[in-house]
Formats: sequence, C-alpha cells, structure tokens
Amino acid sequence: AQSVTQLDSQVPVFEEAPVELRCNYSSSVSVYLFWYVQYPNQGLQLLLKYLSGSTLVESINGFEAEFNKSQTSFHLRKPSVHISDTAEYFCAVTTMEGGSEKLVFGKGTKLTVNP
Amino acid sequence: KAGVTQTPRYLIKTRGQQVTLSCSPISGHRSVSWYQQTPGQGLQFLFEYFSETQRNKGNFPGRFSGRQFSNSRSEMNVSTLELGDSALYLCASSLADTEAFFGQGTRLTVV
Repeated sequence: AQSVTQLDSQVPVFEEAPVELRCNYSSSVSVYLFWYVQYPNQGLQLLLKYLSGSTLVESINGFEAEFNKSQTSFHLRKPSVHISDTAEYFCAVTTMEGGSEKLVFGKGTKLTVNP
Repeated sequence: KAGVTQTPRYLIKTRGQQVTLSCSPISGHRSVSWYQQTPGQGLQFLFEYFSETQRNKGNFPGRFSGRQFSNSRSEMNVSTLELGDSALYLCASSLADTEAFFGQGTRLTVV
C-alpha cells in the first residue's frame, strides 16, 4: 500500500523568507502527486499537482513542487512567504486499489508565517 | 459552478446515537469520497462511491457506512457513536480520478 511521509509537522518561518515543506512517498509505478492546503475551519484546496510531463509544477500563488522519482519526493517550495500562507499543507498520492484511484495523505505540515 | 456542499457544517451528538452526513458533489462529478480528519490520525480514507456503487473502502468498522444516490449525492452514516468519532468529515468529488475537490466539511462532536 502507498504511504506518504511529511517530515515536518510544524514549520515556523518569518515573512518573506523561503520555505520548503518536505514530502516523500513509497515507491510505486505511475503515481500522481498533489499538494493541498487547508485554512482554519475549511476544507482542502488543491494547490498543485503532478500527473506527467515536466517534473516542476507551479501554483498561481508562487508555490512550486518538483517530482523526483529517484528520491521518491515531491517537496513544496516558495521563495518568499506571506502571512496569508499560514495554513496546513498536505501532500497526497494516488494509489490504485480496487480498480479505482484513491488519495493517500500525509499527516500534514503546519506552516506558520510570522511578521 | 457550485462547489462541493456538505451539510450540516457542525453537529453535536451523544454517545450511542447515530448520525447522517450529506454531500452534494460538483455537477457532473460521479465519484464521491469521504475522509475523516482528526488531530491524531490525520486524514483517513473512509470510502468512495461511483455511480451508486461503493468502489473502495478504508479500514473503518462497520458502524461507518455510506451510499450514493442516482443524482450522485452521497450520505455517510455512523451508528452507535463513540467519543473517538469526533472529527472533521470531508467529502470530495472528482470527475476524472486525477483531482479531488473538497467540501468544507462537517465538524462532528460526540459528547
């Protein structure tokens, strides 16, 4: 069965600093990878996804993630964070079980951006 | 286009009771999945329905059940509630199995 490991449960940073949220997944063929963001008392919003093609994917709000097959990683980065980026971030991978795909999530990383 | 709608947003129940949560997917989406989110266990997959059939099931006891209607709306039911069932229950709908859209969740508190 697939598994996802988010290595840091909490990441505090100062505003305008760079940040990297780490994600590793168990090896499998043909994975799809996702990053979701959850703001307090909200559901999950898709931040970005890797399905195929270029290993570097970007979101509209400055985040990017790179799929590294050899290291089975999909780390999320942002060169300069804002206070509004404070949220919990979840890495997820799809796995084929029972003939359909389901999402397996990591435990989440709480990003706190301080002024 | 309306997003995924979950009702109710908040719910308080007593141990031993049963509860039904509702999820209306995005129009045209036929796949609906349910997840339980708790501080200790994170996001855990409950089950997935596609065209009224359960296609996948997570490792939850039989007290947790669900169904999907012909209009793709889905309900999940938890019987004989326990304190540990207190959680945020999230529903997600998808069109092509490569992207899930989540509702805002139902916060269930069991007292």
